[in-house]
Amino acid sequence: NAGVTQTPKFQVLKTGQSMTLQCAQDMNHNSMYWYRQDPGMGLRLIYYSASEGTTDKGEVPNGYNVSRLNKREFSLRLESAAPSQTSVYFCASSGQGAYEKLFFGSGTQLSVL
Amino acid sequence: AQSVTQLDSHVSVSEGTPVLLRCNYSSSYSPSLFWYVQHPNKGLQLLLKYTSAATLVKGINGFEAEFKKSETSFHLTKPSAHMSDAAEYFCVVRGAGSYQLTFGKGTKLSVIP
Repeated sequence: NAGVTQTPKFQVLKTGQSMTLQCAQDMNHNSMYWYRQDPGMGLRLIYYSASEGTTDKGEVPNGYNVSRLNKREFSLRLESAAPSQTSVYFCASSGQGAYEKLFFGSGTQLSVL
Repeated sequence: AQSVTQLDSHVSVSEGTPVLLRCNYSSSYSPSLFWYVQHPNKGLQLLLKYTSAATLVKGINGFEAEFKKSETSFHLTKPSAHMSDAAEYFCVVRGAGSYQLTFGKGTKLSVIP
């Protein structure tokens, strides 16, 4: 049982380049999330998808786009990377309901030069 | 709107002594509260959650937390620290019916042998 799988684990980009972070879960969860983690800031929600076919902005959506490809997959795209997007990105998923716990992937460390 | 404040960015304890990690929250509605732990270079893992069933919540690895509405607090405790407890801990609040979780900035726990 793999849980939540993120790829890649590490990535270095130059300013202006684009890339897509991939996330897949095998727990049949309805909800999926993308967070970024910066030192001293905790985790901040970028986008989430409450269910297949829906996406919503979180706290820090600017500069990102998402696609809920199907129930399993939720991708995060940086169209034109900026140094301010250097961060560790986590994908998470949860079952139905507001009390369900989140299951996290192992993270993607992204550096934008 | 909801928010959470972790009162200490870093806590250091000796192995075998009690652990106290402090968290205050603010929420317009009855919140759900969680503590997550992150070991170095890992994703986050749920320690425990409060969902109004009982004010004293027991979690994994001997941790527990008490919900005090009058003090708007949800402090995490453990009677005896173990070296493996060294990690970063996040207090998290979720508003009633909301998919958005708000994370505290984290408390790094160091355990001295």
